[in-house]
Amino acid sequence: SQQGEEDPQALSIQEGENATMNCSYKTSINNLQWYRQNSGRGLVHLILIRSNEREKHSGRLRVTLDTSKKSSSLLITASRAADTASYFCAACTSGTYKYIFGTGTRLKVLA
Amino acid sequence: NAGVTQTPKFQVLKTGQSMTLQCAQDMNHNSMYWYRQDPGMGLRLIYYSASEGTTDKGEVPNGYNVSRLNKREFSLRLESAAPSQTSVYFCATQSGQGGTGELFFGEGSRLTVL
Repeated sequence: SQQGEEDPQALSIQEGENATMNCSYKTSINNLQWYRQNSGRGLVHLILIRSNEREKHSGRLRVTLDTSKKSSSLLITASRAADTASYFCAACTSGTYKYIFGTGTRLKVLA
Repeated sequence: NAGVTQTPKFQVLKTGQSMTLQCAQDMNHNSMYWYRQDPGMGLRLIYYSASEGTTDKGEVPNGYNVSRLNKREFSLRLESAAPSQTSVYFCATQSGQGGTGELFFGEGSRLTVL
């Protein structure tokens, strides 16, 4: 399977805590992106990091990329109950238009 | 501005029946994609179209065909549906050139094959 893997599969934290989720992929990439999915809905783009970048911030989100290990992490700081959702990474294979998704992390933030 | 529109939203088929899922975008994007999502499996790429007139296989193309009718529309056809094709199907478009942009998703089509 080309599909990437994410860990943990599920994460439960208290409001105000930080949430970290990790993604591994299998090929050389153009970029890696993170998406959020609320139950039963389509995916919404959160942040994109290019293959020549190592870290990127957007609001409460921080993404890192280690191309030598083929891995990325997403940190959500000061989490809120509204952050409860599934989070997916998607890696775009170099030289193609193929976006391959990871298996996802289900985040639950308790108020 | 509707973005990415999928039809139908829900469909129930019997084994062996055929159907087509339709996707239309008004974002003027070149690239379009079909994914399926099964519980615990994340999204898996079925087919994609980098531009009008081209289509390519993804991770799980068997049992499906696609047509890129024009720049706006990308359809997914199941010729002989099987229970293993019960899933939620998502269409997406990509905003950049050469796989550099973000994906925009439709709301999904939930298909059940009995």
